[in-house]
Order: sequence, then C-alpha cells, then structure tokens
Amino acid sequence: KNEVEQSPQNLTAQEGEFITINCSYSVGISALHWLQQHPGGGIVSLFMLSSGKKKHGRLIATINIQEKHSSLHITASHPRDSAVYICAVATFNTDKLIFGTGTRLQVFP
Amino acid sequence: EAQVTQNPRYLITVTGKKLTVTCSQNMNHEYMSWYRQDPGLGLRQIYYSMNVEVTDKGDVPEGYKVSRKEKRNFPLILESPSPNQTSLYFCASSPKRLGKYNEQFFGPGTRLTVL
Repeated sequence: KNEVEQSPQNLTAQEGEFITINCSYSVGISALHWLQQHPGGGIVSLFMLSSGKKKHGRLIATINIQEKHSSLHITASHPRDSAVYICAVATFNTDKLIFGTGTRLQVFP
Repeated sequence: EAQVTQNPRYLITVTGKKLTVTCSQNMNHEYMSWYRQDPGLGLRQIYYSMNVEVTDKGDVPEGYKVSRKEKRNFPLILESPSPNQTSLYFCASSPKRLGKYNEQFFGPGTRLTVL
C-alpha cells in the first residue's frame, strides 16, 4: 500500500464546476504540499499546510491531521486549471518528501 | 528572477557513458533535492542536501551520485547510465529543511533517455 494515496486518478469536469481532489496518507507528517504540474511538465507549488485551511484565489486546501487526510478544492473551474495535481508529504523529523501518483484533471469549456 | 535552472533539458545517451545533469538556484536556499518522475510511479526522491557538503539518500539513490560543494549548485551524476534510468528528472530547492514548512521551487525538468 502506498504511503500517500490520491483520488481520483483522473477527473473530467465542465467549466464552472466545483472540483475536489483527495489525499490520504499513512505516515506522520510535518507538512503536506499540493503541487500542480502543467502539460508542459513544469511543477509549481500551490500550497503547503500543516493544519486547517488555506485559500489562494479559486483554490482551497484543507487538512485534517487526526484523519490523515487533505483535500484540494477548485471553485468555478476553468480550462486553464487542466493539469496534474500532486499531493506530497514531508515526513516527520526527516527531510524527505513522499509523493502521491497525482490526479489528472481536464476541464472542458 | 528567482529560479532553479537545470541543464540539459533533454539528453539522449547510451548505456555506460557517464553524464552530469546540472542544477543551480539563485535564491540562497539551503535545501536542494533531486527527483525522478516515471509513469504510474509518480515522483520519487533520489538524493537531497540540507546544506553545503551535507547530502543524504532519498528513496531511489542506486546508480546516482551527487555533490554539494557550493550552496547554489547540486549536480546529479550518473556514472554508468542504464536504460532503467530513462526518466524525467527534477531538481528543487527550498529555503530551509522541509520539516520547517518550507515551499519547494522546482526546476523545469530534464528528460533523459538512455539507449
């Protein structure tokens, strides 16, 4: 079993829909990262959180430490949101990142 | 402009021919790391460095070497590349060690093919 599991693996949506991507992990963590990888391959960091909730524009990330679960929400989705979204955890007391296998999102006009 | 650069961006080579992929950051970051990305497996950490002359193995270090002689540079060395090292490689840096909640900045990636 992978230490970081994402669901769904693939997701299609119509423009304007509300989107949720889930991440569950089984290890102790100091922080959780959400990354975005565009079709060209570049990776950017969206959020880093260790508790509660963060919001940036139409993106919202939440984490529940007790349940070892995080969600990434996209409100009013747009075709430019089409990308692979990757969850990664920084394990407690180490300097390693463990990645989920990603969720491929396609938003159609 | 603050950035992480990698060179080359694309490389096709043959089995056994030593190669180096360079990584450089201009943000005075302490933490640097190398990852490989393979279909179905996602990103996996190869090596990381918490500061100059301090390096440690990630999850898939076999067949790779690194060095951190200067803070800005973290080259990845493949002494004798094999076809199973064909992959997309990313270098990343972070202001401090990851456990202190620091964002990672990624390079553009290097697509390596070993024939």
